[in-house]
Amino acid sequence: GENVEQHPSTLSVQEGDSAVIKCTYSDSASNYFPWYKQELGKGPQLIIDIRSNVGEKKDQRIAVTLNKTAKHFSLHITETQPEDSAVYFCAACPYGQNFVFGPGTRLSVLP
Amino acid sequence: DTGVSQNPRHKITKRGQNVTFRCDPISEHNRLYWYRQTLGQGPEFLTYFQNEAQLEKSRLLSDRFSAERPKGSFSTLEIQRTEQGDSAMYLCASSVGGGSYTEAFFGQGTRLTVV
Repeated sequence: GENVEQHPSTLSVQEGDSAVIKCTYSDSASNYFPWYKQELGKGPQLIIDIRSNVGEKKDQRIAVTLNKTAKHFSLHITETQPEDSAVYFCAACPYGQNFVFGPGTRLSVLP
Repeated sequence: DTGVSQNPRHKITKRGQNVTFRCDPISEHNRLYWYRQTLGQGPEFLTYFQNEAQLEKSRLLSDRFSAERPKGSFSTLEIQRTEQGDSAMYLCASSVGGGSYTEAFFGQGTRLTVV
């Protein structure tokens, strides 16, 4: 079955700097890769996703890249703000199946 | 609020008791997922439904866990004879359709504490 790894487990950046979180997956059948942000005591919130027929997607300060050959995808957050502080999860979804999540990255944006 | 709704938000129970959680998905979503999340970990898949059909249940943690979605709308997750190791956040998510390329949206979760 699918296995998703995620790095780093914790990340601290200064406000205004960029943050990058990287994930790898194992199942070449995975074709959908969402990213979720989770704040304390809340459910995960979908922030951006990418499908296997696309190499990059951007939404304002957030971007995601996908390298299908290497089986890895990354989340990029530019101009970080304190409200970006949260735990971020990547996930991979083999066609029509359930989502497999990475272990998460705790991002702290320091003012 | 038209998002995924989970009830209760918090549940404290004594070891050995049975508990049931409810999930109301987004109205037009026919796929519904249950996940468990322990502290500091990513969500762990338990089971999912396409309408009323339970398509995958081998990941349910033990035979004490069961889920239903009798009319293809809301779903319930039951844990019988709870153990302290069942303490976790139980998350429900829903999405449109059964193929790929479908965004899944999560509820706020039910936090279970077994004492």
